[in-house]
Amino acid sequence: AQSVAQPEDQVNVAEGNPLTVKCTYSVSGNPYLFWYVQYPNRGLQFLLKYITGDNLVKGSYGFEAEFNKSQTSFHLKKPSALVSDSALYFCAVRMRYGGATNKLIFGTGTLLAVQP
Amino acid sequence: GAGVSQSPRYKVAKRGQDVALRCDPISGHVSLFWYQQALGQGPEFLTYFQNEAQLDKSGLPSDRFFAERPEGSVSTLKIQRTQQEDSAVYLCASSPPGTITDTQYFGPGTRLTVL
Repeated sequence: AQSVAQPEDQVNVAEGNPLTVKCTYSVSGNPYLFWYVQYPNRGLQFLLKYITGDNLVKGSYGFEAEFNKSQTSFHLKKPSALVSDSALYFCAVRMRYGGATNKLIFGTGTLLAVQP
Repeated sequence: GAGVSQSPRYKVAKRGQDVALRCDPISGHVSLFWYQQALGQGPEFLTYFQNEAQLDKSGLPSDRFFAERPEGSVSTLKIQRTQQEDSAVYLCASSPPGTITDTQYFGPGTRLTVL
């Protein structure tokens, strides 16, 4: 079965420190990979995606993610965390050859808490 | 420009009632998706439209769930005879015409509470 794992329910980091939110996937083939962020009572906001090419992808708000094919991982990173980065982060995959559906398969989310 | 909008934002229903949830996608977006997000979980796929055609409804949990997009723009997700396990946030997303790599843009969701 296709699945996405976010092993940490919560990540705590001090403002100004680097942050990493982990994501691994188990799907056949080479999927497309996405990160979304969810603020309270709001929908999911797109951060970045990996399609092909350079393994390091840069996205919105200073976030970046590194694709590692051998480890089937797509960890989200930021060099210097801000208190305003505190939110719920979701990793998602989409099958590269999904037939009629372009559906996303999501992880369970990681709550990022940045302390001032 | 305007994003994906959903209404109502909150809906409380008594068990057994029917509900209808509306999604207005971004103008010109061909693809439309519905997801269900239970408390503390990631969104789970329900159904997918390309224009007015419902190409995948494999995620609908039961025959009480029905979705339509008759004119290829606005979509409605209908749940008949609601049950407590239907309580969740229902998210709608749309994406532009193009390739499979196109990003899905999400609305704010409708929080359904079934009492």
